[in-house]
Amino acid sequence: DGGITQSPKYLFRKEGQNVTLSCEQNLNHDAMYWYRQDPGQGLRLIYYSQIVNDFQKGDIAEGYSVSREKKESFPLTVTSAQKNPTAFYLCASSIRHYSTQPQHFGDGTRLSIL
Amino acid sequence: DAKTTQPPSMDCAEGRAANLPCNHSTISGNEYVYWYRQIHSQGPQYIIHGLKNNETNEMASLIITEDRKSSTLILPHATLRDTAVYYCIVRVAGSNDYKLSFGAGTTVTVRA
Repeated sequence: DGGITQSPKYLFRKEGQNVTLSCEQNLNHDAMYWYRQDPGQGLRLIYYSQIVNDFQKGDIAEGYSVSREKKESFPLTVTSAQKNPTAFYLCASSIRHYSTQPQHFGDGTRLSIL
Repeated sequence: DAKTTQPPSMDCAEGRAANLPCNHSTISGNEYVYWYRQIHSQGPQYIIHGLKNNETNEMASLIITEDRKSSTLILPHATLRDTAVYYCIVRVAGSNDYKLSFGAGTTVTVRA
């Protein structure tokens, strides 16, 4: 089945540690997105990538980094500079960045601080 | 400003149709209506979208009023697995309006 796979499902970070969240899609989509979901705050865009080897900051990029070396992969690194990383992280993709077609989501990674 | 208004919650009997309303009275001519749902601790799932014509797919039907100020998502035969928070959003697809933003949505509980 085509879809978006996020791993791990749960992740724990120690103080001062960087952690990387994986996002892989086999939908042949050009565009990929990272959102953060906090209770009562809805979705907030962290980074997005319109095409391989390109990515742009979203509204809350500070303390995060991404790469897009392959079309199917868009990993997100939560660095130690992100002071409040506890959240539900969602990866999404769409066929193209500027498109009427919807964004599709993975099942998320829940990050907590030890 | 909120672009859509949905009831906070609704119950539905298993096997019956669930009709979920959404008000988007300030929708502009180039904004599409999208519906997603999110089951607890899972990622949002795309359901359906439309501009002005009614749409149907294997999951649901979308009925958009002629003036486009409101719409209804219809789950034809609700099952317990349809229990989720349902989000109605409007966006200018194909433009810089790519950031998805969910409001509070409607919490739908399907009861046996």
